Amino acid sequence: DAKTTQPNSMESNEEEPVHLPCNHSTISGTDYIHWYRQLPSQGPEYVIHGLTSNVNNRMASLAIAEDRKSSTLILHRATLRDAAVYYCIPNTGGFKTIFGAGTRLFVKA
Amino acid sequence: DAGITQSPRHKVTETGTPVTLRCHQTENHRYMYWYRQDPGHGLRLIHYSYGVKDTDKGEVSDGYSVSRSKTEDFLLTLESATSSQTSVYFCAISEGAPSNQPQHFGDGTRLSIL
Repeated sequence: DAKTTQPNSMESNEEEPVHLPCNHSTISGTDYIHWYRQLPSQGPEYVIHGLTSNVNNRMASLAIAEDRKSSTLILHRATLRDAAVYYCIPNTGGFKTIFGAGTRLFVKA
Repeated sequence: DAGITQSPRHKVTETGTPVTLRCHQTENHRYMYWYRQDPGHGLRLIHYSYGVKDTDKGEVSDGYSVSRSKTEDFLLTLESATSSQTSVYFCAISEGAPSNQPQHFGDGTRLSIL
């Protein structure tokens, strides 16, 4: 299984961009990189996923390094509602989705 | 939001009693999952289903059984609940296999076993 390293916590100011890093140096060539977030007292919420090229959706952008050993989730303008735990998950296929400790994002007004 | 309903949302019961948690989806997704979340452990997969009557074990399946008699419902049963099964349980669904398809989660069931 690909192992991930994420900072325990990060802090951002409201309406500023946030870059959440993730290292997954043991990822295989066919593993998609998924990002989820979990707001307090809620279930995890899908954010974005990608394989090789950068991806954008209404919630965020995902920048994947050319060697695929790291990726960055980009929130373009953080809001208070974005305060959550963010999980980076290289999915190794099968059904073993491993949620690690993630990064707790604090957003200051 | 994905149409996933977990019931009950909260339950308190005693050790040794049977408990069944229900996950109901309106998305007609093939795959369904049960996770538990505990402090210090993150989310861990208990069981999953890849079709009606097709289920398999996850990482922490001991003490749990599941059933899926129709596409929309996935039941998690604790035959004889123990205090170690006190946790928050999340159901998830996905249209395809989780390797390249997102999972969508319910709001969770908070289960306390005294």
